Amino acid sequence: EFVLTQSPGTLSLSPGQRATLSCRASQSLRSNSLAWYQKKPGQAPRLLIYGASSRAAGVPDRFSGSGSGTDFTLTISRLEPEDFAVYYCQQYGSSPRTFGQGTKVEIK
Amino acid sequence: QVQLQESGPRLVKPSGTLSLTCTVSGDSISSNDWWSWVRQPPGKGLEWIGEIFHSGSANYSPSFKSRVTISIDESKKQFSLRLTSVTAADTAVYYCARTFGKLIGLGVRYYGMDVWGQGTTVTVSS
Repeated sequence: EFVLTQSPGTLSLSPGQRATLSCRASQSLRSNSLAWYQKKPGQAPRLLIYGASSRAAGVPDRFSGSGSGTDFTLTISRLEPEDFAVYYCQQYGSSPRTFGQGTKVEIK
Repeated sequence: QVQLQESGPRLVKPSGTLSLTCTVSGDSISSNDWWSWVRQPPGKGLEWIGEIFHSGSANYSPSFKSRVTISIDESKKQFSLRLTSVTAADTAVYYCARTFGKLIGLGVRYYGMDVWGQGTTVTVSS
């Protein structure tokens, strides 16, 4: 079973700043099958990135994903007020399709 | 546009069985997609419970494996979650979701969980 470890647990930033979130897998992911989701209270998760670096439909280009193997990064180039949320990585290349524990991006 | 909607009892007694159904609209359930259940307990992160393919093939998280069954009814465009022997720790928001798959050549490429239901809160309490 893949274990995904996200860091940091919480990121305190101001609007306009750059956010860099990390996700490390316990084993190399097949076909870079890693996704990033945004989760806000009272809302369903929203797919941001799939295949480690491809943006989902309708996702602003300030969101970008990178990485391969075991180390992956989600970058938000300039934080907008609506970007403050919890972000989860997930590997979907094999079962069980595990999630990381999440990184909260909060307003400083 | 694919939409998912969860339904089922919101309150379940301890040691009872939690049963939820997800209805798919706007697309075929008999495609290359996997249909999943994910939950979020209060104050905690997302937990993947399991998934099912239209053929009936299912995968489960080891954390739930002995208690969970996911089934599918293609004719009704529904898939269902059954979780037995529930405790207060199973209180959560339960989501159904689609892992989108597309046939590329001789294989299927997957694109993550691109469509989600709105979620339903299930409370385990006497």
